[in-house]
Amino acid sequence: EPEVTQTPSHQVTQMGQEVILRCVPISNHLYFYWYRQILGQKVEFLVSFYNNEISEKSEIFDDQFSVERPDGSNFTLKIRSTKLEDSAMYFCASRRDRGQDGYTFGSGTRLTVV
Amino acid sequence: QKEVEQNSGPLSVPEGAIASLNCTYSDRGSQSFFWYRQYSGKSPELIMSIYSNGDKEDGRFTAQLNKASQYVSLLIRDSQPSDSATYLCASGAGSYQLTFGKGTKLSVIP
Repeated sequence: EPEVTQTPSHQVTQMGQEVILRCVPISNHLYFYWYRQILGQKVEFLVSFYNNEISEKSEIFDDQFSVERPDGSNFTLKIRSTKLEDSAMYFCASRRDRGQDGYTFGSGTRLTVV
Repeated sequence: QKEVEQNSGPLSVPEGAIASLNCTYSDRGSQSFFWYRQYSGKSPELIMSIYSNGDKEDGRFTAQLNKASQYVSLLIRDSQPSDSATYLCASGAGSYQLTFGKGTKLSVIP
C-alpha cells in the first residue's frame, strides 16, 4: 500500500536553529498538508499546498514557517529560529483530491527543541 | 471558531463488546467527517469516512452521522485488545483543512 514517507523520524535542535522536515507524498496525490501535534494535544492544521502554492494556512503558520516542493516528489517544512514551544510531532499528509478522500498521514517527525 | 469535541475517556470495554465513541462539531458547514485511530507515538490512521446522514458500515466499524444534531459516532463491534488506541474525530467543511478533536482513549480489556 502506498505510503507517505517522512524524514527524519526524530530531530533534536537547539533553540534558535533552523530545521527542515522532509516528506515524500504518495505519487498520484495532489494535495499536501502539514499538521502538528503537541504531546497530549489535538492534531492541529498548519498549512495546505496545491498546485505549487499555499492554499490555506492557520494562525500557527506564521513567518517562522515556510513550505516548499523543490522537485516532483519532496515536500518540505522549514522552521526558522525554532522555539521551545515548537516541540511537537509534525505530520505530513496527502490526498488525491480535495473532495471526500481522507488524508494519508506520514509516520511523523518528532521535533525536540532544547 | 470550528470545534470538534470528544470525551477524552478512557473508555474501557471488555473484549467482544461494542465500543461506542461520540463526537460533536460546531461548524454547520462541515460536509465530511472522518474517524482516525492513533496508537501511542504513531500517526493517525484513517478508519472511516462519512458524508451523509445515517449509518455507514465497514467490517466491525459503523459510523453514524446526524447533521441536525451535529453529532458523529463510531461503533466498534466485537472489540479486540488490538483496538485499544485513541480515536480521533475530524470534520472538513469543503476547505482544505480538517479540524480534529482531542480524541477518545479506548481500552479493550481481555
